[in-house]
Amino acid sequence: EAEVAQSPRYKITEKSQAVAFWCDPISGHATLYWYRQILGQGPELLVQFQDESVVDDSQLPKDRFSAERLKGVDSTLKIQPAELGDSAMYLCASSPQGPSTDTQYFGPGTRLTVL
Amino acid sequence: AQSVAQPEDQVNVAEGNPLTVKCTYSVSGNPYLFWYVQYPNRGLQFLLKYITGDNLVKGSYGFEAEFNKSQTSFHLKKPSALVSDSALYFCAVRDINTNAGKSTFGDGTTLTVKP
Repeated sequence: EAEVAQSPRYKITEKSQAVAFWCDPISGHATLYWYRQILGQGPELLVQFQDESVVDDSQLPKDRFSAERLKGVDSTLKIQPAELGDSAMYLCASSPQGPSTDTQYFGPGTRLTVL
Repeated sequence: AQSVAQPEDQVNVAEGNPLTVKCTYSVSGNPYLFWYVQYPNRGLQFLLKYITGDNLVKGSYGFEAEFNKSQTSFHLKKPSALVSDSALYFCAVRDINTNAGKSTFGDGTTLTVKP
C-alpha cells in the first residue's frame, strides 16, 4: 500500500537555527498539505498545494516559514530561524485531486524540538 | 468560519462495551465530515467520512458514525470496544462551498479501552 513519506522523523535543533522537512506524497496525488500539530491539539493547516501552486497559506508564518513544491511532486518545509514555540509535530498529507470530498492520507510526521 | 468541538478530552470504556466519541461542528453551508485515528508518534489514519446520503456511515475497524444535521453532530461509535482501539481520535470538517477544501480539526479525544 502506497504511503506518504516524511523525513526526518525526529529533529532537535537550537533556537535561531534553520531546519527543513521533506515530504514525498503518494504517487499521483495532486494535492499536498503541511500541518502543524501542537501537543494536545488537532492538526492546523500551514500550507496547501495543488500541483506546484499554493492554494492556501493563510496560516503560514511567512516571516520564518517557507514551503515549496517545485515540480508538483515532493515538498520541503523550512523554518528559519527556529523559535522555541515551533516545537511540534509537522505532518504532511496528500489527496488525489483536492476537492472537499477527498480523503487525506497522512505521513508519519516529523517531531521538532527546539531548545 | 468553520469549527469542530470534541467536548471530551478523554473517554474510558471497558473492553466489549459500546463506545461513543462525540463531535459537533459549525459550518456556513453543508459539511463534509471525517474521523481520523492517531497512534503514538504516528500520522493520522482515515476511519470514515460523511459526504452525502445515508446518515449512518460505516468505516474501518468496525467503527461507524451518525450524521445529525439538526444537532450538528457526527459522533463516532463502535458496538464492542477492543483494547487495540485505544488511541487519539480526531473529527474534522470541510466546507462544501470551497473547492480548496480546507479542513478544520478538533483537538482530539483520547480513547482508553481497559481489559
